Amino acid sequence: DIQMAQSPSSLSASIGDRVTITCRASQTISSYLNWYQQKPGKAPKLLIYAASYLQSGVPSRFSGSGSGTDFTLTISSLQPEDFATYYCQQSYSSLFTFGQGTRLEIK
Amino acid sequence: EVQLVESGGGLVQPGGSLRLSCEASGFTFSHYWMSWVRQAPGKGLDWVANIRQDGSEKNYVDSVKGRFTISRDNAKNSVFLQMDSLRVEDTAVYYCARDHVGIFGVVSFDYWGQGNLVTVSS
Repeated sequence: DIQMAQSPSSLSASIGDRVTITCRASQTISSYLNWYQQKPGKAPKLLIYAASYLQSGVPSRFSGSGSGTDFTLTISSLQPEDFATYYCQQSYSSLFTFGQGTRLEIK
Repeated sequence: EVQLVESGGGLVQPGGSLRLSCEASGFTFSHYWMSWVRQAPGKGLDWVANIRQDGSEKNYVDSVKGRFTISRDNAKNSVFLQMDSLRVEDTAVYYCARDHVGIFGVVSFDYWGQGNLVTVSS
């Protein structure tokens, strides 16, 4: 199975900060990488697909980059509604896997 | 509007069975693969299984192979997860999700249900 490792596991930041979350795959996955946001008690929401494509309706302050094994999710200027947990997910293999999540908290 | 509504969760004893259902609306159900994803209390997301549009292909995570069965009824716009030989570690919120095949053939989960709690405990 392809393992996905996110870093950091948690992060404290302030409104207006630029934040970057990293996801590393245990083998190359080309651009078969998606990012999700989850708020407590809610279903996840797709933010970025195919490593760098913004899902419809998602604010442009979110962006994704990377290919191969190393990927990043960047939030250019944190807003109050962005404090949540973020997950990466690979679909290179037919057995999909998620990263362990990055919890983004208010400093 | 796309909607996915799960039902069938609850409390079950170890070794017992439960069947989850997910009814879809707002899109042509028969055109999409569908998945189940679970989340243990306080933990991350784990993909469980998915099923091809016509039900001819199914994939499972190793930890549920031989115990869980995914199926679908396109006439009823529904996908199911039959869970047998349940273990305490299967306790989780179970989400159904639509598999979207996008650019470069990358599969993402673009719509999710509200989630349904399954508790395995004696």
